[in-house]
Amino acid sequence: NAGVTQTPKFQVLKTGQSMTLQCAQDMNHNSMYWYRQDPGMGLRLIYYSASEGTTDKGEVPNGYNVSRLNKREFSLRLESAAPSQTSVYFCASSEGVRGNQPQHFGDGTRLSIL
Amino acid sequence: DQQVKQNSPSLSVQEGRISILNCDYTNSMFDYFLWYKKYPAEGPTFLISISSIKDKNEDGRFTVFLNKSAKHLSLHIVPSQPGDSAVYFCAATFDKIIFGKGTRLHILP
Repeated sequence: NAGVTQTPKFQVLKTGQSMTLQCAQDMNHNSMYWYRQDPGMGLRLIYYSASEGTTDKGEVPNGYNVSRLNKREFSLRLESAAPSQTSVYFCASSEGVRGNQPQHFGDGTRLSIL
Repeated sequence: DQQVKQNSPSLSVQEGRISILNCDYTNSMFDYFLWYKKYPAEGPTFLISISSIKDKNEDGRFTVFLNKSAKHLSLHIVPSQPGDSAVYFCAATFDKIIFGKGTRLHILP
């Protein structure tokens, strides 16, 4: 009963390196999301995919790209990492984007950019 | 411009007493409000929600109250237990979900 699985759990990068964060869900959910959590800032939406084949920007999309590979998988790419992208990244999924369809979160990827 | 505000960064409550976590919002178009709970090194987990057409929703020890005229909602936990120590996020939805910054709840023995 895995739910939402994120890999890797931890990563350290140098400024300018690229990296892809992976996310997979096994709940047959239509919608998937990427958030970042910074101290004192709560959860901020980076990108989301309402359904397979669609992606949309969230509150803080700059410096990131996403791919909805199939219904199960939604990846987040940093093309040229910057220290300001040091954060904890959470992937989530839900049946749909309506408010009465709560999101299920993975346990996060802790990313440090030196 | 914070559309969802949790003005108390932390709250300490004696075990067995009532915990009340507060949340204010600015956008009258929000149609659902949700509370999530987060333990360290884990992702948030959904706790309880309320539709904007209701003023109360209850689930076991957790009750959420919505006051639309004041644009305010609160989460009541009765009785508080040690396992309730966590960070609680308030969230609101319209076309997207917006999270507050969270309140850290400490349950004291």
